[in-house]
Amino acid sequence: GNSVTQMEGPVTLSEEAFLTINCTYTATGYPSLFWYVQYPGEGLQLLLKATKADDKGSNKGFEATYRKETTSFHLEKGSVQVSDSAVYFCALSDNSGNTPLVFGKGTRLSVIA
Amino acid sequence: NAGVTQTPKFRVLKTGQSMTLLCAQDMNHEYMYWYRQDPGMGLRLIHYSVGEGTTAKGEVPDGYNVSRLKKQNFLLGLESAAPSQTSVYFCASILTGGLRRNEQYFGPGTRLTVT
Repeated sequence: GNSVTQMEGPVTLSEEAFLTINCTYTATGYPSLFWYVQYPGEGLQLLLKATKADDKGSNKGFEATYRKETTSFHLEKGSVQVSDSAVYFCALSDNSGNTPLVFGKGTRLSVIA
Repeated sequence: NAGVTQTPKFRVLKTGQSMTLLCAQDMNHEYMYWYRQDPGMGLRLIHYSVGEGTTAKGEVPDGYNVSRLKKQNFLLGLESAAPSQTSVYFCASILTGGLRRNEQYFGPGTRLTVT
């Protein structure tokens, strides 16, 4: 079946450091890929997405590129801020219709000033 | 446009009590989901619905029931609460077509404690 594996946290970075959170997936066909962010005490929000190979999703300085050859969708940001402290979830949709999104287990990021 | 709302935000139950969590969305989404989130476990799907009057089991359905009598509402019931059901519960809904298809919209969560 479909699955998503993302790096385990927690990840602790200093402000302005470079961020990478790895995400790899297993799926048949041509899935869509997502990154969601959960700030403390809130629900998940869509951060960015990519729907086909080589697409790059971007939002709020975060980027992720859909790499079919490596089945990856790594999240990156060039300079993190304290306000980026949150839990980040990678997710996959197989676009078949009824199948729910498949989520990774989440990676907690803490950015310290 | 309120998006996805959940009622209540917090609740404390004693073991054996029952309760219903309400999820409502005003975006005319077809699909709706109930998840639970526990430390270190990520999100786990409890039940979901692909349309009014239809429901299906997710990864961890035991101890829960659901109903989708109206398109905009998705109810999650606990008939006899157990301490293992202490968790944060999230509802979500999804668009099935258009540019934003498969983008899942989440509610703010319900924090449930069972003592």
